Amino acid sequence: QKEVEQNSGPLSVPEGAIASLNCTYSDRGSQSFFWYRQYSGKSPELIMSIYSNGDKEDGRFTAQLNKASQYVSLLIRDSQPSDSATYLCAVRRAGSYQLTFGKGTKLSVIP
Amino acid sequence: GAVVSQHPSRVICKSGTSVKIECRSLDFQATTMFWYRQFPKQSLMLMATSNEGSKATYEQGVEKDKFLINHASLTLSTLTVTSAHPEDSSFYICSASPGQTINSPLHFGNGTRLTVT
Repeated sequence: QKEVEQNSGPLSVPEGAIASLNCTYSDRGSQSFFWYRQYSGKSPELIMSIYSNGDKEDGRFTAQLNKASQYVSLLIRDSQPSDSATYLCAVRRAGSYQLTFGKGTKLSVIP
Repeated sequence: GAVVSQHPSRVICKSGTSVKIECRSLDFQATTMFWYRQFPKQSLMLMATSNEGSKATYEQGVEKDKFLINHASLTLSTLTVTSAHPEDSSFYICSASPGQTINSPLHFGNGTRLTVT
């Protein structure tokens, strides 16, 4: 079983719509969760982090965490073509500084 | 804040030569840095954890004698790919965190695209 799973996509949404990206993880001891955005040929950049169950909002982005279901998601409201990228879910286990990454979901926002 | 600088951004070398990649934390000190490798359309794979003043910790399957890591100061870690071969061609990315807690995110350098001919 893969540690961090994401649908590889591509996920296509029209401009202005809500994009929903999902991630599941296998280690129940995971404590910190991060979403990174990676443009083609570039390194990942941090979008959001979440540590507690529930929702966390930052501008057009909302991260949702459900530890009981081992599920974390990222919602992007009012999607823009510039949001087109691969979104990586990353999980940190308790007692470690390492991050384990999913394979990423490729998002395409259609103008 | 939390800027990680990586150099060079792109390097082409001949098979059998060695390549050194530098990773610097510009506005914070990092006792730990992480080196990742990413093949096309693949996820980031952790290669090793670089520890200031001590030996690096390598992930299973990563040859420590081939990928030499030196973390001589709190702001600099280097990765040397020794006797590079075409299969080492990849995107190498370093990362570090300005915080030391479980909730501190990692910040990434811009990456180094290595092409071995």
